[in-house]
Amino acid sequence: EVQLVQSGAEVKKPGESLKISCKGSGYSFTSYWIGWVRQMPGKGLEWMGIIYPGDSDTRYSPSFQGQVTISADKSISTAYLQWSSLKASDTAMYYCALRYSSSWYDYWGQGTLVTVSS
Amino acid sequence: IQLTQSPSSLSASVGDRVTITCRASQGISSYLAWYQQKPGKAPKLLIYAASTLQSGVPSRFSGSGSGTDFTLTISSLQPEDFATYYCQQLNSYPHTFGQGTKLEIK
Repeated sequence: EVQLVQSGAEVKKPGESLKISCKGSGYSFTSYWIGWVRQMPGKGLEWMGIIYPGDSDTRYSPSFQGQVTISADKSISTAYLQWSSLKASDTAMYYCALRYSSSWYDYWGQGTLVTVSS
Repeated sequence: IQLTQSPSSLSASVGDRVTITCRASQGISSYLAWYQQKPGKAPKLLIYAASTLQSGVPSRFSGSGSGTDFTLTISSLQPEDFATYYCQQLNSYPHTFGQGTKLEIK
């Protein structure tokens, strides 16, 4: 069974760093793209970027380029989204999503809630 | 590529036929998906390639369109269909979403 399991909720202060994770199972981790999607409280979905774990090819939305880093560790089938200096405006739910069957985003993680508050 | 959904919100009754529109700022062929999201849950893929029903999705959902204009139709609303719906284009990066359509019970 294909599954994406994300790390738990985080509460951080502005300026702190953070790395959240998305662990894939039930499929060949290196063969499919994994994307990240932000949903701010009460708002819509925003595509942040995507990584191909096989060769770490990564694409970012211009809105998020330089603001976050997407990476993957093939040895443990895990993708990451990280911030070096969080802002209050980073408060949101973050989803990872797998482009599996027919290259559409058909499997999603359960989401990781990130709260940034002083 | 920008995607504009209309309407932004919609009130309807069980049994109604509902249509949601998604317009792309430039042609995207059939590289469009539709998702359903319920509160506190991850989005669920309903339709991909503009008109292909994802496995397990009820046949009352259908999609059509190509190029710049797309529609999602629910032929007979069921209580579990009240949710927010998003379109997404996969023609080119970034894979943008529409702003969403909230479907509420009348």
